[in-house]
Amino acid sequence: DGGITQSPKYLFRKEGQNVTLSCEQNLNHDAMYWYRQDPGQGLRLIYYSQIVNDFQKGDIAEGYSVSREKKESFPLTVTSAQKNPTAFYLCASTSGLSSPLHFGNGTRLTVT
Amino acid sequence: SQQGEEDPQALSIQEGENATMNCSYKTSINNLQWYRQNSGRGLVHLILIRSNEREKHSGRLRVTLDTSKKSSSLLITASRAADTASYFCATVTNRDDKIIFGKGTRLHILP
Repeated sequence: DGGITQSPKYLFRKEGQNVTLSCEQNLNHDAMYWYRQDPGQGLRLIYYSQIVNDFQKGDIAEGYSVSREKKESFPLTVTSAQKNPTAFYLCASTSGLSSPLHFGNGTRLTVT
Repeated sequence: SQQGEEDPQALSIQEGENATMNCSYKTSINNLQWYRQNSGRGLVHLILIRSNEREKHSGRLRVTLDTSKKSSSLLITASRAADTASYFCATVTNRDDKIIFGKGTRLHILP
């Protein structure tokens, strides 16, 4: 089955620690996206990548970092510089901007 | 920045009634997409409408696009309890590769 896998589903961390969220896709999509969703809110774009070894900042990139070393993988690191990291993180991929996004089931990160 | 803004923020209707949600956006677009999200899950794509299209249908869903007013609407006909979810519009602009979402409409279908 083709799809996007985000892991883990729930993640708990202490304040001041960096944490990496995994996103893997086997859809052979070139483009991948990371969004953050706060309770009752819409999705805000963190980072996106159109091709391997290239990525761009979205609207709320501060305190986050990404890498795109392989087409299938687009991990997101939430650094200690992110002031309010507790949120629901969604990863998505697409074959192009005229095609729909395919989403993973998200990772709920709680930082205390 | 939120490119799309859905209206209303929340909507409760009786099962069997039609539900209409609206999305307004600010800059010219390549296409506009509607998604559905069940609580705590990822989003599921519903319909994509291109800037040169005015209306699209998919089953009980009907989407319209008015580029002169920079707005789109999603109509769900003959609503069912299983339609209870949040619905989001997303826009793809002509100037960059960003896909920007609105804040969504929470739809509750009453039995």
